Amino acid sequence: DTAVSQTPKYLVTQMGNDKSIKCEQNLGHDTMYWYKQDSKKFLKIMFSYNNKELIINETVPNRFSPKSPDKAHLNLHINSLELGDSAVYFCASSPSLTRGEFFGPGTRLTVL
Amino acid sequence: DAKTTQPPSMDCAEGRAANLPCNHSTISGNEYVYWYRQIHSQGPQYIIHGLKNNETNEMASLIITEDRKSSTLILPHATLRDTAVYYCIVRVRGGSQGNLIFGKGTKLSVKP
Repeated sequence: DTAVSQTPKYLVTQMGNDKSIKCEQNLGHDTMYWYKQDSKKFLKIMFSYNNKELIINETVPNRFSPKSPDKAHLNLHINSLELGDSAVYFCASSPSLTRGEFFGPGTRLTVL
Repeated sequence: DAKTTQPPSMDCAEGRAANLPCNHSTISGNEYVYWYRQIHSQGPQYIIHGLKNNETNEMASLIITEDRKSSTLILPHATLRDTAVYYCIVRVRGGSQGNLIFGKGTKLSVKP
């Protein structure tokens, strides 16, 4: 009965590769997000989708491209991976933009 | 930097109420108080949020002082599964939910 799930949980890859992280929520929420954990206590919002429509697109390199095939899914594709992309990425969902988020377990990306 | 201060740790007996305090003396008029918790190696979990009125949901109650400079999260009947680090943050609601900046939080240990 996982609410927000992400795959893979760990991702180790070489610089320059292209990779995707998948996210699914079964809560029936309208809004989904991607956050990057820059440090242990700082989650920086990257994107937000509301009913499959991009609402928030913070200053993120255009190598990062979110894709929302339907309301329950928000995938993150990253092209030409760089060392600085190494981080934990969290997917989240909420009933609306003004409600608190339910987070997935995170994906630890390591770029070598 | 986080705009909130919380005690580093608290203990609570199973079945009793857990009252977690938070100071946010520099809160702005348009900022809400949000509470999250994080169990080791999992993503943050939203608990509750409020502006100035007390709030209650199925997980907890939130008591905000009249001057809004502090608040208390109440878990009415703590269980062992409530053992986690609890974070109080202030943030603007609506539009861009913005970044999540966690302070050190309060490590709550629920004991049998």
